[in-house]
Amino acid sequence: GNSVTQMEGPVTLSEEAFLTINCTYTATGYPSLFWYVQYPGEGLQLLLKATKADDKGSNKGFEATYRKETTSFHLEKGSVQVSDSAVYFCALRNSGNTPLVFGKGTRLSVIA
Amino acid sequence: NAGVTQTPKFQVLKTGQSMTLQCAQDMNHEYMSWYRQDPGMGLRLIHYSVGAGITDQGEVPNGYNVSRSTTEDFPLRLLSAAPSQTSVYFCASTENTGELFFGEGSRLTVL
Repeated sequence: GNSVTQMEGPVTLSEEAFLTINCTYTATGYPSLFWYVQYPGEGLQLLLKATKADDKGSNKGFEATYRKETTSFHLEKGSVQVSDSAVYFCALRNSGNTPLVFGKGTRLSVIA
Repeated sequence: NAGVTQTPKFQVLKTGQSMTLQCAQDMNHEYMSWYRQDPGMGLRLIHYSVGAGITDQGEVPNGYNVSRSTTEDFPLRLLSAAPSQTSVYFCASTENTGELFFGEGSRLTVL
């Protein structure tokens, strides 16, 4: 079946540090891949997505590249801010009206 | 735009009580779903619907019922609440692009 594995947190970084959150997936076919972010006390919101191999999704300084050969979609940001403190979820979706499958989430804390 | 609206935001129940979590969206999305979020477990799909009159079970459907009589509404019913159902519940919808729009969540405590 389809599944997503992401690195366990929590991850604590100093402001302006480089961020990587690893995400690997198992899926049949050619899924679309997503990163969602959940700020404290809120619902999840889409951060970025990629729909085919070698696509790069980007938003708010975050990037992730769809790597079919390594079945990965790692999230990166060159310089994190305190405001990036949140829980990050990697997710995949196969074609059609199939539900999204989420990883367990990685909590990021950025300290000044 | 209101987006996805969930009510109530907080609820405390006693074991054995029943209740309904309401979810409404104003984006004319065909697809709606309910997730629960528990510490260390991420998001787990309870039920989903691909259109009015159509529902299907997700990963953890036991103890929950849903119905979809209109495109806008997708209520989640707890038939006989148990402490294991203490969680934060999220409703989400999409127009089949994969981008889910989430409500703000409903925090349920079962004593």
